Amino acid sequence: DTAVSQTPKYLVTQMGNDKSIKCEQNLGHDTMYWYKQDSKKFLKIMFSYNNKELIINETVPNRFSPKSPDKAHLNLHINSLELGDSAVYFCASSRDRGSETQYFGPGTRLLVL
Amino acid sequence: DQQVKQNSPSLSVQEGRISILNCDYTNSMFDYFLWYKKYPAEGPTFLISISSIKDKNEDGRFTVFLNKSAKHLSLHIVPSQPGDSAVYFCAASAQDDSWGKLQFGAGTQVVVTP
Repeated sequence: DTAVSQTPKYLVTQMGNDKSIKCEQNLGHDTMYWYKQDSKKFLKIMFSYNNKELIINETVPNRFSPKSPDKAHLNLHINSLELGDSAVYFCASSRDRGSETQYFGPGTRLLVL
Repeated sequence: DQQVKQNSPSLSVQEGRISILNCDYTNSMFDYFLWYKKYPAEGPTFLISISSIKDKNEDGRFTVFLNKSAKHLSLHIVPSQPGDSAVYFCAASAQDDSWGKLQFGAGTQVVVTP
């Protein structure tokens, strides 16, 4: 009965590869987010979708492309992976765009070699 | 540029004592503040929040204080328990175009010793 789940939990891959991370929430929330936690441990928002519509798109390389097939899912596809993409990626959701309280998934630990 | 700052990377406190975690912010548009707790290899878990119209919010052992003039908030945990050992993140948001965009501090690692 996990509220926000992510797969995979760990991802080790070579530079130049393309990979996807999946996120699902069963809270009935309208809004979902992707955050990146870098080596300095800062959590920074990357994208947000509200009811499948992109509403926040931070300054992220266009190698990163989010996709929301429905409001319960938000996937993150990364093309041509680089060493600097190594980080922990967290998915989160909130009731709606105006709800500040966000609920996080367990994170996907990406290591690019 | 970090708009939310947690200047103490770590805090060690004895079980039963009070833990006080501090957070400063620079953006005067922030009007909602949250604290998240994070265990290793898990996602952040929402702990407590406060709106800018209040100066205090309490939930069990956790109390958050907001001083808007000083752009400062703090989280008090009383009494501290071993299970409180975790990283605590302060976060803030503004109800303008940035709605939903939480700005996080770098976190404070709390260790509660027996």
